[in-house]
Amino acid sequence: QQQVKQSPQSLIVQKGGISIINCAYENTAFDYFPWYQQFPGKGPALLIAIRPDVSEKKEGRFTISFNKSAKQFSLHIMDSQPGDSATYFCAASRGNTPLVFGKGTRLSVIA
Amino acid sequence: GAGVSQSPSNKVTEKGKDVELRCDPISGHTALYWYRQSLGQGLEFLIYFQGNSAPDKSGLPSDRFSAERTGGSVSTLTIQRTQQEDSAVYLCASSLYYHTLSTDTQYFGPGTRLTVL
Repeated sequence: QQQVKQSPQSLIVQKGGISIINCAYENTAFDYFPWYQQFPGKGPALLIAIRPDVSEKKEGRFTISFNKSAKQFSLHIMDSQPGDSATYFCAASRGNTPLVFGKGTRLSVIA
Repeated sequence: GAGVSQSPSNKVTEKGKDVELRCDPISGHTALYWYRQSLGQGLEFLIYFQGNSAPDKSGLPSDRFSAERTGGSVSTLTIQRTQQEDSAVYLCASSLYYHTLSTDTQYFGPGTRLTVL
């Protein structure tokens, strides 16, 4: 049973465009929803995270939108740059428990 | 400060051999997690240590997998009688863990790429 479903698997965006990655979860007990960015040969690094008491969180060019009733959350990358090309993982957890990850989205930003 | 470190970075072994993977968490972090990253499968939880509590082993795929954490710091993941399906990147993460009502960022190491021939 896959508790966090992520789409799309891969995404190609023009430089300056908006990248959108979506995730849906099943467990309503989840209360922490982070997005991780991973470059080849590196471990995942926290990009931005949200809790269900807010519907949106913005940090620079990165925004998480959260829809509690639909059990969905998404990552928007504004003004996408070639340096944003990486694999992005959404995840969910309840408190300090192990993260449940989506299967990842490989983003390519082309000039 | 130093992040999470893992060794070796790469390990090639023959089917049936045992392997040990090491993780050095960030100093002061009481929670330590092992995940496995297989191609196209995302990150899969394996085992979780928190302070002196009994580890959460619910993610270990078989009894060939085990892990220990000595002195609340360094952890070793052991895979006995390795199989080809064990080939993956094994990632370690650590977090501060103040209390169960908070959520502390998990910081990941670079991983160990295991190849079983």
